[in-house]
Amino acid sequence: GAGVSQSPRYKVAKRGQDVALRCDPISGHVSLFWYQQALGQGPEFLTYFQNEAQLDKSGLPSDRFFAERPEGSVSTLKIQRTQQEDSAVYLCASSSGQGKTEAFFGQGTRLTVV
Amino acid sequence: GNSVTQMEGPVTLSEEAFLTINCTYTATGYPSLFWYVQYPGEGLQLLLKATKADDKGSNKGFEATYRKETTSFHLEKGSVQVSDSAVYFCALIPDDKLIFGTGTRLQVFP
Repeated sequence: GAGVSQSPRYKVAKRGQDVALRCDPISGHVSLFWYQQALGQGPEFLTYFQNEAQLDKSGLPSDRFFAERPEGSVSTLKIQRTQQEDSAVYLCASSSGQGKTEAFFGQGTRLTVV
Repeated sequence: GNSVTQMEGPVTLSEEAFLTINCTYTATGYPSLFWYVQYPGEGLQLLLKATKADDKGSNKGFEATYRKETTSFHLEKGSVQVSDSAVYFCALIPDDKLIFGTGTRLQVFP
């Protein structure tokens, strides 16, 4: 596609509910990133894929967070048993993966846990 | 470790004023440096970048120069417009992922 697409744009979840956030990267982009952006803060790195391989998951805050990219294209970020502190905007980005090149971001999914 | 430090906002200016938003970084090796902008209700957009020392990135009247000796990448614009009101993020890639600063909100009034 023309840009990175994320869905849903907004999600309200009751505490304890599981959620799944989807990211469609730019076609042909090798690298895919997930970030978490709390209100008034900069994006914080969660995890990174190169094709289908998850190369870095050091930013995932707990084992309730899980990400996958099974065919090296679309990715899903899953949060189990959501807590109020999970409320944030979740950003997905993709890049061509060639060197230290810029990443292109989707509009994000705003998750509110009530 | 790798990190980015930005000046705290908000920065409030009148239209046509000169803008500087300071950014300094800590990194191992030779990172690439970026400024991203987030307009109200929109996603992060790349504003400009520089990949090596003394490179100057520029776009839409904004400029930033990669200064290795001072580990800085300050954002400047000679004459801001109301439409420049947004949050600006300085970022670096030391290896394979972007690391962001906390962002600086710019408010420009007519």
